[in-house]
Amino acid sequence: GNSVTQMEGPVTLSEEAFLTINCTYTATGYPSLFWYVQYPGEGLQLLLKATKADDKGSNKGFEATYRKETTSFHLEKGSVQVSDSAVYFCALSDGIDRGKLIFGQGTELSVKP
Amino acid sequence: DVKVTQSSRYLVKRTGEKVFLECVQDMDHENMFWYRQDPGLGLRLIYFSYDVKMKEKGDIPEGYSVSREKKERFSLILESASTNQTSMYLCASRRQTSNQPQHFGDGTRLSIL
Repeated sequence: GNSVTQMEGPVTLSEEAFLTINCTYTATGYPSLFWYVQYPGEGLQLLLKATKADDKGSNKGFEATYRKETTSFHLEKGSVQVSDSAVYFCALSDGIDRGKLIFGQGTELSVKP
Repeated sequence: DVKVTQSSRYLVKRTGEKVFLECVQDMDHENMFWYRQDPGLGLRLIYFSYDVKMKEKGDIPEGYSVSREKKERFSLILESASTNQTSMYLCASRRQTSNQPQHFGDGTRLSIL
């Protein structure tokens, strides 16, 4: 079946450091891929998405490229801020099952000043 | 912007009570979802609805039911609350077209005493 695997956290970085959170997936067909962010005590917010191979999603300085050859959708940011501290979820939708999402387990990011 | 509103941020109930969690979206979305989120277990789908009066079981429907009488409102019902249903509950909605993301509410943190 479909699945999403994220790197385990927590990830601790200093402010202005480069961020990579790895995400790989297993899916049949051509899934859409998403990154969501959850700040403490809040729900999930859509951060970015990509719907086909080689698409790059971007938002708020974050980027992720849909790599079909490596079945990956790694999240990157060139310079993190303390305000980026949150839990990040990678997810896929296979477009078949009425928009259901398969989530990774989440990666907690802590950015220190 | 899409607005998904959950009726309570925090709720405390007693074992055996019938509990209603309400979710309203303002974007005329066809699909709506209920998840619970627990440490170490990630997000798990309880029920979803792909249209008014339509519902399907998710991965963990036991002990829950749902109601979707109007398109904008999706209710989660705990028939007889138990302590193992203490959790964060998240509602989401989505337009039923290809590649559309889910949009989440802020969550309800439910404690069953």
